[in-house]
Amino acid sequence: SQELEQSPQSLIVQEGKNLTINCTSSKTLYGLYWYKQKYGEGLIFLMMLQKGGEEKSHEKITAKLDEKKQQSSLHITASQPSHAGIYLCGADIGGAQKLVFGQGTRLTINP
Amino acid sequence: GEEVAQTPKHLVRGEGQKAKLYCAPIKGHSYVFWYQQVLKNEFKFLISFQNENVFDETGMPKERFSAKCLPNSPCSLEIQATKLEDSAVYFCASSPGLAGGPGTDTQYFGPGTRLTVL
Repeated sequence: SQELEQSPQSLIVQEGKNLTINCTSSKTLYGLYWYKQKYGEGLIFLMMLQKGGEEKSHEKITAKLDEKKQQSSLHITASQPSHAGIYLCGADIGGAQKLVFGQGTRLTINP
Repeated sequence: GEEVAQTPKHLVRGEGQKAKLYCAPIKGHSYVFWYQQVLKNEFKFLISFQNENVFDETGMPKERFSAKCLPNSPCSLEIQATKLEDSAVYFCASSPGLAGGPGTDTQYFGPGTRLTVL
């Protein structure tokens, strides 16, 4: 079973619409990371959340970590074609700095 | 450098041949990590280094996989006698090594090396 469950696995939205991607763990997360991967390329770091209840924003992307530090959401406002790609949540679950990843969410933006 | 560099970008090997992958971490970063990404975005941690010392090797298939991070040289991941199931994208990441404890250190990823074993 996956240590990090990410949903949805695939998302198609109209340009300009808002969307949310979720990442859930049954264990307490020492750090929660959001990355974006373009098809066939490396991972681009988006945000890191560490404290329960923490929320960070960068341009039109907002990420939150719940109080129990077991669930995170990534919200994109007014989506654009440049937001298309695969979004991955990663977490340090054991505190040993090695990351485990969710299955990824493939985001498609239709014009 | 400012980015994690990985070479080569693509590598094709016949089954049983050796494969060697290289990674240059971001200058000043103390930690290096290797991950294997197979189908369906499944990431598997392989090994991590703190400077030139192995930090965590719990993910390494030790029979055929080995890795090094020597001073003044790129880090390397070597696979002896490759098998078909080794076909994957291998990512290297580096992190600064902050003193804030678990979960405080961001890992920055390289572009990956796609290994195809025929």
